[in-house]
Formats: sequence, structure tokens, C-alpha cells
Amino acid sequence: AAGVIQSPRHLIKEKRETATLKCYPIPRHDTVYWYQQGPGQDPQFLISFYEKMQSDKGSIPDRFSAQQFSDYHSELNMSSLELGDSALYFCASTFGQGSTDTQYFGPGTRLTVL
Amino acid sequence: GQQVMQIPQYQHVQEGEDFTTYCNSSTTLSNIQWYKQRPGGHPVFLIQLVKSGEVKKQKRLTFQFGEAKKNSSLHITATQTTDVGTYFCAVPNQAGTALIFGKGTTLSVSS
Repeated sequence: AAGVIQSPRHLIKEKRETATLKCYPIPRHDTVYWYQQGPGQDPQFLISFYEKMQSDKGSIPDRFSAQQFSDYHSELNMSSLELGDSALYFCASTFGQGSTDTQYFGPGTRLTVL
Repeated sequence: GQQVMQIPQYQHVQEGEDFTTYCNSSTTLSNIQWYKQRPGGHPVFLIQLVKSGEVKKQKRLTFQFGEAKKNSSLHITATQTTDVGTYFCAVPNQAGTALIFGKGTTLSVSS
């Protein structure tokens, strides 16, 4: 079965650079969530989209922005990168945005900021 | 804001021993989900509990939802080395639009 696809899988950037992370949800899933997971930490919710509209916002820095496109894929844009942005970034998808929907996680993008 | 406490943070067991992780919320939950994350991997959905007092089993894993729907547990019987990883509980935020994860319990198993 098709899973959530994230690209790139690994990304190395310098401080103050920008980065774009992409997420391709499971086919027919219309809701995308972004999470940030620091080393040894739990996933922290950043932002979510349902039917191409922002659904909810968590602890996403103002330097980050995201959107969901007409084909339901989503991109997380990160600017003025800081050392503390080094983390695993997961995308998850569901069909619908009910609280009981199972979230299917992608393999993640490991961002390293030097 | 919505929070869920998970204990213990770490647990080391000998292969064949049992393991339990607990999650507690100060508020009544509509549901609770459990995820497993292997080292270097991504969270993988295990199960969702919705009903008060619900008990679900998956082979050696037993999941319970408290009567008051404020706590939950995951119990693994006779652990195996393949059980190694971090187990997270996750609950919906107030709006029901995202998941809030517990801090996770990292299980290590020695053979």
C-alpha cells in the first residue's frame, strides 16, 4: 500500500539559509500534519491543513510557513535557519480531520543546520 | 493546554520479562492512540481506544483505556528484542485537529 512520501530524506543547511520540505500524503488523504521531533523528544505539532486550508497551528515559528497544494501535497518552508531547527520533521496524513482519524506518518526529513 | 503525562521515560528489561507504560491526562479524553517508533524510524500507529474501560489485544500487546477515560496503559507480555523502540501515547488537542504526544517510553531489551 502507498505510504506518505517525504523529500528530501536528509538535508544539511547552514545557519540563516532556507529549506523546503515536501510531503506527499497517501492517495485520497486530504489532511496533512507537520511535526518536529528533536533528539530524544516527542513529536511536536507544527501545523496542519485540511482541503488546502490551514486547519490548525501549533508551535510553528514565524520563520516557518507551509501550504497545501491542489494535489494535496504540502510544503514546509523554513527561513533564517537556526542551529535549534536541527530535527526530524515528520509529515502525517489522514482522510478527514476528525480526532479519531489514524495519522499515517512519513519516514521524515532529517534536517541538520550547521 | 492539553497535556498527557507518560511514564516511565525509560525501561530496560531482560527478554521474556513484561513491560508496561502508562499515560495520564488531567482531562477526559475522547480517544487515545498509541504509536511505536523504532530507533531511526517514524511513529507507526498501533491502536486507538475510544470506549471507557476498553481493552484491546494485539498478540502480546494489551491496551487499556481507563473507566474515566483519563488514563491508558500498554502492556507487553514476554518482551522480545523486536519490541525495542519508543512507545508514545497521543491524544487529540482541544480542537480535535492535531495530536499531542506523550514524552514516550523508550524500551530496551537485552537477550
